[in-house]
Amino acid sequence: EAGVTQFPSHSVIEKGQTVTLRCDPISGHDNLYWYRRVMGKEIKFLLHFVKESKQDESGMPNNRFLAERTGGTYSTLKVQPAELEDSGVYFCASSQETRGLIHNEQFFGPGTRLTVL
Amino acid sequence: DAKTTQPNSMESNEEEPVHLPCNHSTISGTDYIHWYRQLPSQGPEYVIHGLTSNVNNRMASLAIAEDRKSSTLILHRATLRDAAVYYCILRDGYNQGGKLIFGQGTELSVKP
Repeated sequence: EAGVTQFPSHSVIEKGQTVTLRCDPISGHDNLYWYRRVMGKEIKFLLHFVKESKQDESGMPNNRFLAERTGGTYSTLKVQPAELEDSGVYFCASSQETRGLIHNEQFFGPGTRLTVL
Repeated sequence: DAKTTQPNSMESNEEEPVHLPCNHSTISGTDYIHWYRQLPSQGPEYVIHGLTSNVNNRMASLAIAEDRKSSTLILHRATLRDAAVYYCILRDGYNQGGKLIFGQGTELSVKP
């Protein structure tokens, strides 16, 4: 079974440019999450999709970040325009439908390292 | 935001047991204790979880204090591959689909 995949693995852009990160969750997983770690800080939650709906977007830092999950499969996270402080590693995770489950493990992708110059 | 506290770093020798502590004094009755770890250049991965009783799986053991205010992740025989950052995370049993709140974690180094 394929795990969570993310593309690209690395991205280097200049301040003011636009970057789009993609996440393909494990097939059949309804829940999809985005997290990020900026330099020297802890891993922070950004948002949570249940299928194509945004369940929780309380961690999105500002309106320069736009996440979509059309059709409830893969997701994209667009940063426009990128700023220096957006540099970091962006992780995507997915998990099964939670109804009736006591434990719901999140499976993480390898991350996308974003560098804004 | 994190409701757990862990030592910043620990060292271990290969093939020796490792006990990674976690304090969670404000844990609520419905909180489960989860452990994830992040190997170098990878995303976090699930290790183990528990509620009240001690738990064992193929990766590790979890010992939970009787008052549930602390827990210990036990790696019975550390290998070089176990070098990682270990995170102790509380998750509400009624919201298992919710976000993970990561703290600073414990960076474990394993010496050959």
